[in-house]
Amino acid sequence: QQPVQSPQAVILREGEDAVINCSSSKALYSVHWYRQKHGEAPVFLMILLKGGEQKGHEKISASFNEKKQQSSLYLTASQLSYSGTYFCGTERMDSSYKLIFGSGTRLLVRP
Amino acid sequence: NAGVTQTPKFQVLKTGQSMTLQCAQDMNHNSMYWYRQDPGMGLRLIYYSASEGTTDKGEVPNGYNVSRLNKREFSLRLESAAPSQTSVYFCASSEIQAWNADGYTFGSGTRLTVV
Repeated sequence: QQPVQSPQAVILREGEDAVINCSSSKALYSVHWYRQKHGEAPVFLMILLKGGEQKGHEKISASFNEKKQQSSLYLTASQLSYSGTYFCGTERMDSSYKLIFGSGTRLLVRP
Repeated sequence: NAGVTQTPKFQVLKTGQSMTLQCAQDMNHNSMYWYRQDPGMGLRLIYYSASEGTTDKGEVPNGYNVSRLNKREFSLRLESAAPSQTSVYFCASSEIQAWNADGYTFGSGTRLTVV
């Protein structure tokens, strides 16, 4: 069962912040976040394991709420290079070793 | 450069033809995956191999077969191509342990058109 991502699309001005959400109806072992530029392969950003941790990567960070089976990706002071489609991938507790991806959030950062 | 290599990069097939997509990784990863991505859509898992010698179905396995040839190579075969299989196919590999959080590494993709 696919995780649900929201919003479907976001348009920002350079320097603005954004939050992308990912939720699952099943218990999760881990949540991954990837960014994909047009015509390219997805690129790994970060992984969050069950335990409710928060991680950071430059000005991009994420959290994982184990009780709600929800993860959020935070993009702070967005840059033009942040434009692309963001996907969350979830690994369920009852079926490990495989990621099921959400439908993606398209992010456009304008000057 | 270390990574995941997919061949071919582009392919056009006629309905009913067969073909094999090749994937090789040189990162000594145990797990390998095949995903398809339709225009404007997310990634859907076709098949995966958690370790050498094992393969399992993903979300959309119908019309496909896979072979884990060895630890490095994982191929995807379309026995009788259909227009609905027109898509971009991505191979990925990983070594996900609690202490090794490097995520999936994706190949550059194979763009397949079935006419």
